Amino acid sequence: TQLLEQSPQFLSIQEGENLTVYCNSSSVFSSLQWYRQEPGEGPVLLVTVVTGGEVKKLKRLTFQFGDARKDSSLHITAAQTGDTGLYLCAGAQKLVFGQGTRLTINP
Amino acid sequence: NAGVMQNPRHLVRRRGQEARLRCSPMKGHSHVYWYRQLPEEGLKFMVYLQKENIIDESGMPKERFSAEFPKEGPSILRIQQVVRGDSAAYFCASSSRVSSSSPLHFGNGTRLTVT
Repeated sequence: TQLLEQSPQFLSIQEGENLTVYCNSSSVFSSLQWYRQEPGEGPVLLVTVVTGGEVKKLKRLTFQFGDARKDSSLHITAAQTGDTGLYLCAGAQKLVFGQGTRLTINP
Repeated sequence: NAGVMQNPRHLVRRRGQEARLRCSPMKGHSHVYWYRQLPEEGLKFMVYLQKENIIDESGMPKERFSAEFPKEGPSILRIQQVVRGDSAAYFCASSSRVSSSSPLHFGNGTRLTVT
């Protein structure tokens, strides 16, 4: 069974700070996706990473896929209150989801 | 709205009743996934269907739960004889499944409450 562990589970920081959240597994994934979910809504895809070592940027968000394709990180620079939400990573092939990091950005 | 449509948004059932959750995938998508989410938790895979076929139901309880995706019409997740522990948000997602990295497009979920 492929398992994804996300850390931290909860994170609360002040607006303007930087943060990194992690997604780790003992399994190798052909690709990994990051989603953000807001209360009362379904998850929305942020990015897909496919190649080991790949780095993708989405404005203030930087996603990295580990060289061995077992782990990934999401770094947010100068966090804003609009970044608040549940961040989920999901690994192919069955799109197994981690338990998420619940991020709160305080004004 | 060409997105994934789930209905109802909220469903209240008494113990022992049946719950039917519907999901219309995005136009052109023939792959549907159902996930269950408890408060403060991530998404737990239940079942993956392609038109008229169940591809993977390894996450679905063997009893009381069933899913279908007919040739015509929405995908249905059916829960018979609901119990309090079935209370959760149920999300449907669809994809074109061109590859295993094809993104999933999620609906806004059905929140089932069993009283």
